[in-house]
Amino acid sequence: DQQVKQNSPSLSVQEGRISILNCDYTNSMFDYFLWYKKYPAEGPTFLISISSIKDKNEDGRFTVFLNKSAKHLSLHIVPSQPGDSAVYFCAASGSGTSYGKLTFGQGTILTVHP
Amino acid sequence: DAMVIQNPRYQVTQFGKPVTLSCSQTLNHNVMYWYQQKSSQAPKLLFHYYDKDFNNEADTPDNFQSRRPNTSFCFLDIRSPGLGDAAMYLCATMSRGSYNEQFFGPGTRLTVL
Repeated sequence: DQQVKQNSPSLSVQEGRISILNCDYTNSMFDYFLWYKKYPAEGPTFLISISSIKDKNEDGRFTVFLNKSAKHLSLHIVPSQPGDSAVYFCAASGSGTSYGKLTFGQGTILTVHP
Repeated sequence: DAMVIQNPRYQVTQFGKPVTLSCSQTLNHNVMYWYQQKSSQAPKLLFHYYDKDFNNEADTPDNFQSRRPNTSFCFLDIRSPGLGDAAMYLCATMSRGSYNEQFFGPGTRLTVL
């Protein structure tokens, strides 16, 4: 039972355009969502997060949108740069006993072409 | 730089031969995690420590054990590795009170022959 799903295994975008990575979840107890970026031979690094009390969080070129009714979040990268090419993981966490425990999606490979 | 270090980066073992993976951190975080990630799959939490309190995930096989002798170090022991245990093993840390932002090491790629 996969509670966090990234249905697109890969995404290819031209430099300067927008990259949109999507993530769906099924557990309504999740209240905090994170995006991680992973380069080859490195561990995932934290990128941006959003609490369920918000529907948007922005940090420079990166914006995360949360649609709680649809149980869907997305990461927008504008403008995309070749250095953004990596695997992007969506992760979710709940409060209470689930605090500090992340459930990850399978990842989306983003390739940004010069 | 404060960081999470995993050794070795690549580990080859034989079927059934015990293996230990290690993780150390200079972040002084009180929470440490072990994840297993198989090819093209999501990282899967095996267990985690809040300080010395060990928390095992319900579906983590008994074949996997962990030790945390002090704040800085955490070990993953695989008692009898099977072919299905070949994976990337990721260690992560978090400061209790921070909201779920975990810091990951580079991982150890385990091959079982």
